[in-house]
Amino acid sequence: GQQVMQIPQYQHVQEGEDFTTYCNSSTTLSNIQWYKQRPGGHPVFLIQLVKSGEVKKQKRLTFQFGEAKKNSSLHITATQTTDVGTYFCAGRGFSVEYGNKLVFGAGTILRVKS
Amino acid sequence: DTGVSQNPRHKITKRGQNVTFRCDPISEHNRLYWYRQTLGQGPEFLTYFQNEAQLEKSRLLSDRFSAERPKGSFSTLEIQRTEQGDSAMYLCAPEGGDSGANVLTFGAGSRLTVL
Repeated sequence: GQQVMQIPQYQHVQEGEDFTTYCNSSTTLSNIQWYKQRPGGHPVFLIQLVKSGEVKKQKRLTFQFGEAKKNSSLHITATQTTDVGTYFCAGRGFSVEYGNKLVFGAGTILRVKS
Repeated sequence: DTGVSQNPRHKITKRGQNVTFRCDPISEHNRLYWYRQTLGQGPEFLTYFQNEAQLEKSRLLSDRFSAERPKGSFSTLEIQRTEQGDSAMYLCAPEGGDSGANVLTFGAGSRLTVL
């Protein structure tokens, strides 16, 4: 079935360093979304990318959707302690077989040392 | 406040018992999803509704799991004859709202522990 893989699984950075997490899908996606889950919390929506090659920015966060619409990345510039949490990508496929569900990756855990 | 109320927040039960979780979105949503999350993993799709119709159910889901959305608003998820492997956080997520038509808004979840 449709699978979404994320790397790295875990990253520990010094405050002020940059951070990137990568997401790859086994199938072409109609759109991809990113969510953030704080420790002890629930996933919260960050952004949605729809177009091939799309790039969106939210302050220090930059999101990219690959040209083939099978991969995506999230880059955080100059991390802060408030960035701590798990970042999930989630994709929807085109195939009727895979339905309308949003398939989540396993997430990347970000820890920030101050 | 997530805009989605889930009850109970925590449930501890013995193996073999039945449990039911309820999800109440504050506003109206056509689609509503149920996910399950275990420690260190991403949310795993269980099922979703379009209004009161259950349109898709995970092939990995045992027939011990059943969900309903009788009036197209609140939803319930029942697990019969619970097993230890059912221990997880059960997340309800209506689709749509202020963040966008395709976006999921997760509730705080119902944590199940099966002893």
